[in-house]
Parts: sequence; C-alpha cells; structure tokens
Amino acid sequence: NAGVTQTPKFQVLKTGQSMTLQCAQDMNHNSMYWYRQDPGMGLRLIYYSASEGTTDKGEVPNGYNVSRLNKREFSLRLESAAPSQTSVYFCASIQTPGGLIVATNEKLFFGSGTQLSVL
Amino acid sequence: DAKTTQPNSMESNEEEPVHLPCNHSTISGTDYIHWYRQLPSQGPEYVIHGLTSNVNNRMASLAIAEDRKSSTLILHRATLRDAAVYYCIPGGGGADGLTFGKGTHLIIQP
Repeated sequence: NAGVTQTPKFQVLKTGQSMTLQCAQDMNHNSMYWYRQDPGMGLRLIYYSASEGTTDKGEVPNGYNVSRLNKREFSLRLESAAPSQTSVYFCASIQTPGGLIVATNEKLFFGSGTQLSVL
Repeated sequence: DAKTTQPNSMESNEEEPVHLPCNHSTISGTDYIHWYRQLPSQGPEYVIHGLTSNVNNRMASLAIAEDRKSSTLILHRATLRDAAVYYCIPGGGGADGLTFGKGTHLIIQP
C-alpha cells in the first residue's frame, strides 16, 4: 500500500542549481498534482495533469516545469532554483471520471512531501 | 471555486466533542464539500465529504446546512492525535483539483 511516493524527502540547493522532484502513484489514478506550501499558508497549486500526456498550469507555475512521464509518474523540475522556491512540495493524485473533476466523489491522496531549501 | 471562511484556530480539550465551522456561501449546486486535515509534518489526508445530507464515517461527522452555505465538521471525541490543520473545501468544479485555503488550526489540550 505505497499510495503516493515522493522523492527526495529533503533537499538543499544553491541558487541557480536545478533539480527534479519525483512523484509516483500506484493507485491507477488519472489525475496528478503538484502543490507547494509555505510556512503558515495553505497549499498552492503549481501544475496539474488531468490525464496521461496532458499538463496544465496552476496558480503559481513560474519557475517550474513538469512531465507526466506515464500514468504513474509526474515529475516537477526546477531549472534554476531561487530562494523564493524554498518550500514544502506535495504531490497528490485522484481518480476523476472522464479526466475532469466535475463533482468528484473521490479522495485526493497526498505524498509525504519534499522539504526544499534554496540558499 | 467557492470562497470559504474558517476560523484561523480553535482549541478544545481531549475527549470532548469538537465542532469546526465553515462558511461557503457561494458554493455551486454540484460541488461536494470536502474536509481534509494535515497533521504536523505530513501531507493532507482525507477526512470526509458530502453533498447535501449529513455524513458519518469512522473519523468524523459532517453536518451540512439545508441551504448548503455552511457546514460543520464534528469530531465526537477529540484525541491529541486530532491536533491538525483542518481544511474545508467546497469544489471539484474543474480539472485543477481542490483549492486549499489556510484552514483551521485545531489545538487539543490534554
């Protein structure tokens, strides 16, 4: 019962370095999401993928790119990390009928998060 | 997405019931009302959801107002493990998932 697995759990980068956060789910969900959470704040959506082969921008996409590698995996890339990207990153997935959340009756499953610090 | 209003924080005693309120006056007719919680240093986890009728599960109960403009999450007997941030999320209106606000920080006193 792995659910949603994120790697790494912790990462420290220097300004300008690049890295990729990995996310995989084993529940055959079609929709996957990347959120960031800053201290004392709610979660903000960075990118999402409603189905394999599609990705769309969320609320705060600048400075990030994503890849939906296959149905299981959805990665988040920081091409040139900045201190403003210091945050906790969460990946999530959900099974949505038809690929769109219309009035979803399904549960969103989250990974345990990646704590990223950019110095 | 419907706008939600939740108290920033609430405090309760262990083994007492807790009622967490949420106002969502702009909710659409097809939006479910979802509740998630986030324990310290963890990702959010599902608690309960409903559409019109009150709902019960092993974790909590959800009371939905008749006009659906508000709801209340009820923890019948709070434990220290229930200390978390609770998010009320009306929605599901698009492919971009659920919108998590700041939620209510629930503090449980022993």
